[in-house]
Amino acid sequence: GAVVSQHPSWVICKSGTSVKIECRSLDFQATTMFWYRQFPKQSLMLMATSNEGSKATYEQGVEKDKFLINHASLTLSTLTVTSAHPEDSSFYICSARGDPKGESSYEQYFGPGTRLTVT
Amino acid sequence: GQNIDQPTEMTATEGAIVQINCTYQTSGFNGLFWYQQHAGEAPTFLSYNVLDGLEEKGRFSSFLSRSKGYSYLLLKELQMKDSASYLCAVRFRKKLSFGAGTTVTVRA
Repeated sequence: GAVVSQHPSWVICKSGTSVKIECRSLDFQATTMFWYRQFPKQSLMLMATSNEGSKATYEQGVEKDKFLINHASLTLSTLTVTSAHPEDSSFYICSARGDPKGESSYEQYFGPGTRLTVT
Repeated sequence: GQNIDQPTEMTATEGAIVQINCTYQTSGFNGLFWYQQHAGEAPTFLSYNVLDGLEEKGRFSSFLSRSKGYSYLLLKELQMKDSASYLCAVRFRKKLSFGAGTTVTVRA
């Protein structure tokens, strides 16, 4: 159980275009989803936290107008990178949690990641 | 802010034991996690500590000392497939903050 999928797994786009990444919890309802970014040989950096039906909470330094997050249902969250530039090339990973109290030991499950390359 | 430190790289031979240390200074603490991440893949959960002491799970064990802000992950009977990055993460207010990861290389 507790499977999280991401689509696409790999995408190349031209500078100035927008890219949408989907994150789905396949066998549980995710009340909270997290979006991370990871540059080569660096750790995961939390970009934003989204709760179903409400606006996402962005971490300091993350542009909310550039990284649009929508958590329209309990099983789907999307991250749209708008007007992408080469410096946005990174590995984007989503994570989902199904326990609304957030107290269980390892209730945060990670998707397989999306590698974005902006040319 | 969150400050989580772990060594960058470690190398060991097959069958050996390796200990990966993690020290943290965070504004709060609700638990410490260890994840394994192979290149180009998402992290997979290994262990969780919220109370002081040792948690053992097969070949992997994790230790926590909250007063010292210190944890370690112990990998026993190393196998080639254990070559990966190991991430220490601290949870506070439902968010995980990650260390930079320790790349473990297992040699035959």
